[in-house]
Amino acid sequence: EVQLVESGGGLVEPGGSLRLSCAASGFIFSSYSMNWVRQAPGKGPEWVSFISDTTRSIYYADSVKGRFTISRDNAKNSLYLQMDSLRDEDTAVYYCARSLPVNGIVFEYWGQGTLVTVSS
Amino acid sequence: DLQMTQSPSSLSASVGDRVTITCRASQGISTYLAWYQQKPGKVPKLLIHAASTLQSGVPSRFSGSGSGTDFTLTISSLQPEDVATYYCQKYNIAPTFGPGTKVDI
Repeated sequence: EVQLVESGGGLVEPGGSLRLSCAASGFIFSSYSMNWVRQAPGKGPEWVSFISDTTRSIYYADSVKGRFTISRDNAKNSLYLQMDSLRDEDTAVYYCARSLPVNGIVFEYWGQGTLVTVSS
Repeated sequence: DLQMTQSPSSLSASVGDRVTITCRASQGISTYLAWYQQKPGKVPKLLIHAASTLQSGVPSRFSGSGSGTDFTLTISSLQPEDVATYYCQKYNIAPTFGPGTKVDI
């Protein structure tokens, strides 16, 4: 069974930093591209970042480019999101999501999410 | 930037009704279109990709169609467990979700 478990969320002041982690199990992590997707309270999902299986390809949404950094450790079956210069509008539940192996970015499996609140 | 719209924003139907949700892209996206279901308090679930390919385990009452700019998600016979918000998502470049359609009974 595919399992994705996020951690690292919490309350942070504007301008602060946070590092999210996602522990993957139930599949060969190193064979799949991964993503971070967020959902602000009462809003629809918003894709944040993508990283390919080998880390050769990395993409970011314009809204986080230059502030967030995605990475992965295939030996530890883990995905990360380093979030710097956080803003109020970054407040959301952050989901780790495995990509469907197709051309393009489709979110096949989702974790339960971790809440990030940016507020003074 | 390519925008995704959905209509209606919400609907209420009866058990057994046929329900159709429309998604429109501001530019052509071929069939790079996925649909997700998000039940209240739950995580989004992938229903359909490539506009019409049903994900494994999804009931056959769900179907998708369309290409280019206009797409539809159809629930052939609405069930109580289908109460949810449905999102379309284009995925050729810079994945973008639609605003969602809330389905109630």
